[in-house]
Amino acid sequence: GESVGLHLPTLSVQEGDNSIINCAYSNSASDYFIWYKQESGKGPQFIIDIRSNMDKRQGQRVTVLLNKTVKHLSLQIAATQPGDSAVYFCAEENSGYALNFGKGTSLLVTP
Amino acid sequence: NAGVTQTPKFRVLKTGQSMTLLCAQDMNHEYMYWYRQDPGMGLRLIHYSVGEGTTAKGEVPDGYNVSRLKKQNFLLGLESAAPSQTSVYFCASSPTSGRRRETQYFGPGTRLLVL
Repeated sequence: GESVGLHLPTLSVQEGDNSIINCAYSNSASDYFIWYKQESGKGPQFIIDIRSNMDKRQGQRVTVLLNKTVKHLSLQIAATQPGDSAVYFCAEENSGYALNFGKGTSLLVTP
Repeated sequence: NAGVTQTPKFRVLKTGQSMTLLCAQDMNHEYMYWYRQDPGMGLRLIHYSVGEGTTAKGEVPDGYNVSRLKKQNFLLGLESAAPSQTSVYFCASSPTSGRRRETQYFGPGTRLLVL
């Protein structure tokens, strides 16, 4: 079946820098995408979502970009903080009921 | 408002034992889901429910059963546990409004070790 994948399994950034986490998807019919943050020992926490009729959406310190032409999704975190250290998952929902998760990118913020 | 809660938080089973994981949500969500998460992998859907009294299979349903007798509760059962079912189990719920898809909210997880 269709799958969502991530370009990099780990990402290390310095505190204060901007982080960019990438995600590729293969199903052109996907119409809803979500980014989740998962801290150690906890469940995934919603960060931001975007629908296929949008190219960009901004939240607090986070921006999601969607490029439907190349089926690419990215999460940008501005002024990365130590509390941003976690695993980040992108997920797509196109079946109507469930989410298809990528394997995750581990973000490590160093002082 | 507790959101999504799961019990127990951690459990150790012997091969062949049975157990039930309980998920409860107080957000009046229609949809509920059970996922498992294994090291180095994303979450994989086991079963889901689109409303009280309904359930459906997800990506990896074998060895599991579910029930949704009440809207707020979604139970995941293991009739005969196997070591391959050692994992972290997450429950999630989401509202729905017609064709509009909504965010899923996750519980804290249940860590299951099958010896």
